[in-house]
Amino acid sequence: GDSVTQMEGPVTLSEEAFLTINCTYTATGYPSLFWYVQYPGEGLQLLLKATKADDKGSNKGFEATYRKETTSFHLEKGSVQVSDSAVYFCALIVNSGYALNFGKGTSLLVTP
Amino acid sequence: DAMVIQNPRYQVTQFGKPVTLSCSQTLNHNVMYWYQQKSSQAPKLLFHYYDKDFNNEADTPDNFQSRRPNTSFCFLDIRSPGLGDAAMYLCATSERVEGEQYFGPGTRLTVT
Repeated sequence: GDSVTQMEGPVTLSEEAFLTINCTYTATGYPSLFWYVQYPGEGLQLLLKATKADDKGSNKGFEATYRKETTSFHLEKGSVQVSDSAVYFCALIVNSGYALNFGKGTSLLVTP
Repeated sequence: DAMVIQNPRYQVTQFGKPVTLSCSQTLNHNVMYWYQQKSSQAPKLLFHYYDKDFNNEADTPDNFQSRRPNTSFCFLDIRSPGLGDAAMYLCATSERVEGEQYFGPGTRLTVT
């Protein structure tokens, strides 16, 4: 079945450090890939997306590239801020599917 | 701004006492979803509506029901809440079933 695997957290970084959160997927079809962010006590916000191989999604300094050959969609940011502290979820939907298939989430804490 | 609105943000109910959570959207999206998210877990889809067509996930308990009286509104009814139903309930919308989903802020349900 379809699934998403994320690196285990929590991840703790100092402000201005480089961030990578790994995400790999297994899918029977051709999925669209997403990163969502959830701040404490809030709902999920769509951070970025990619709908086909080699697409790069980007938003607010975050980037992720859809790598079909490695079935990956790693999230990166060159310089994190304290305000980036949140839980990050990688997710996919396969073509003709409707359910977002989420990874377990990675908690990020950025310290001053 | 167009958005997904959930009311109330926090709801306390007693064991076995029916409760209704509400969701409205100004995005005019065809699809509306209800997810359950327990602490430190990924959201789990309960059901979704494509327009007026209701689609229940196979493992959603019968205790959970939903209504969508019009395009803008969708309700989650929990007929007899148990302690295990305490969770964050997230409403989401999308323009089409395989498209990106936009989430509301969630309703945190406490069962006493």
